[in-house]
Amino acid sequence: DSGVTQTPKHLITATGQRVTLRCSPRSGDLSVYWYQQSLDQGLQFLIQYYNGEERAKGNILERFSAQQFPDLHSELNLSSLELGDSALYFCASSVVPHIGELFFGEGSRLTVL
Amino acid sequence: GQQLNQSPQSMFIQEGEDVSMNCTSSSIFNTWLWYKQDPGEGPVLLIALYKAGELTSNGRLTAQFGITRKDSFLNISASIPSDVGIYFCAGQMSGANSKLTFGKGITLSVRP
Repeated sequence: DSGVTQTPKHLITATGQRVTLRCSPRSGDLSVYWYQQSLDQGLQFLIQYYNGEERAKGNILERFSAQQFPDLHSELNLSSLELGDSALYFCASSVVPHIGELFFGEGSRLTVL
Repeated sequence: GQQLNQSPQSMFIQEGEDVSMNCTSSSIFNTWLWYKQDPGEGPVLLIALYKAGELTSNGRLTAQFGITRKDSFLNISASIPSDVGIYFCAGQMSGANSKLTFGKGITLSVRP
């Protein structure tokens, strides 16, 4: 158990819909990262937050947004969903923002039909 | 953008065998990391390397930070069935806003 909690574990929805994925980082970790994992693209970095502020942005679509709340949990919002958005979405956390030693949650599997 | 190359995509070995994986990049990284992902789980950090030439072990796993800083190697000795999974390399440049870049992973299968 990494200490990072993600909900829901599985989500099935239709194209055009909007979903919210939730992440609680490890106790004491201030930095949260979101990654997308699909079969052909591997682990793609989406976005990073540190203590409530956006820290770095990766290949995140404009239809996607995220935030980190004062209690340090984070949410990833995916809207106008397309079939190609079907993937595993991982949240990870770390103590400090510039370190590569990340603790990953078990992921949220999104299926868009 | 930065890309990490891991090949082959899949490896099949016999239990008890040693296996080596490498990861290469056209970019220089200041940190190299190796993660393992079990089916249905998130990646777990195996080894982190912070200095060119560094050789670090974690049980049956040994990883090296290439001296050119453009590659890294992971060796697994005396493989066991629970070594099955996807092995990812990851590289990070220095700097406060440096992102971690992952390779596409190598799926390891171990035949009993």
